[in-house]
Amino acid sequence: GQSLEQPSEVTAVEGAIVQINCTYQTSGFYGLSWYQQHDGGAPTFLSYNALDGLEETGRFSSFLSRSDSYGYLLLQELQMKDSASYFCASLTGGGNKLTFGTGTQLKVEL
Amino acid sequence: EAGVAQSPRYKIIEKRQSVAFWCNPISGHATLYWYQQILGQGPKLLIQFQNNGVVDDSQLPKDRFSAERLKGVDSTLKIQPAKLEDSAVYLCASTNTGDSYEQYFGPGTRLTVT
Repeated sequence: GQSLEQPSEVTAVEGAIVQINCTYQTSGFYGLSWYQQHDGGAPTFLSYNALDGLEETGRFSSFLSRSDSYGYLLLQELQMKDSASYFCASLTGGGNKLTFGTGTQLKVEL
Repeated sequence: EAGVAQSPRYKIIEKRQSVAFWCNPISGHATLYWYQQILGQGPKLLIQFQNNGVVDDSQLPKDRFSAERLKGVDSTLKIQPAKLEDSAVYLCASTNTGDSYEQYFGPGTRLTVT
């Protein structure tokens, strides 16, 4: 089966940097995606890592280490609007299927 | 470009009743997914279509859930009969073939079973 573990909650102050970790146990692993979901909203795609290393997209960066079955999402210059749930998701099934993690609720405080 | 459309947005039914949800994906997206998201959890894949064919329905409770995508465009998910534990948000997503890591989600249907 597939499982992805994340911390349930993370709290940080506005302007700070926060890292959300994701460890996975997945067969047929292709890569790791990250999604953001505001309360009552739809998940929206943030980033994808197919290879080991860091991918940077504006204030957000994502990292993958296949040998450690580990990845993280790094959010810089935190803003209040970044308060949301963040999900890692493994891509498997020949590159067609996403399995989502348990989710991390990020709270940004003043 | 219009996003993924879903209806209804909210539905309240009693247990043992039936309910249907509709989804219209982004134009041109061949792959369509239905997910169930229970409060406080990540989305769980129920069924995946490639055009009008089923690719994966291994987690669909087939004794009560059914889905179709007859013309390879819009799709319907049905629950009959509903149970209390079916209370969740049902999300539809679509993507281009080969880009499944980046899925576009609709606003979801929040189902409450009483």
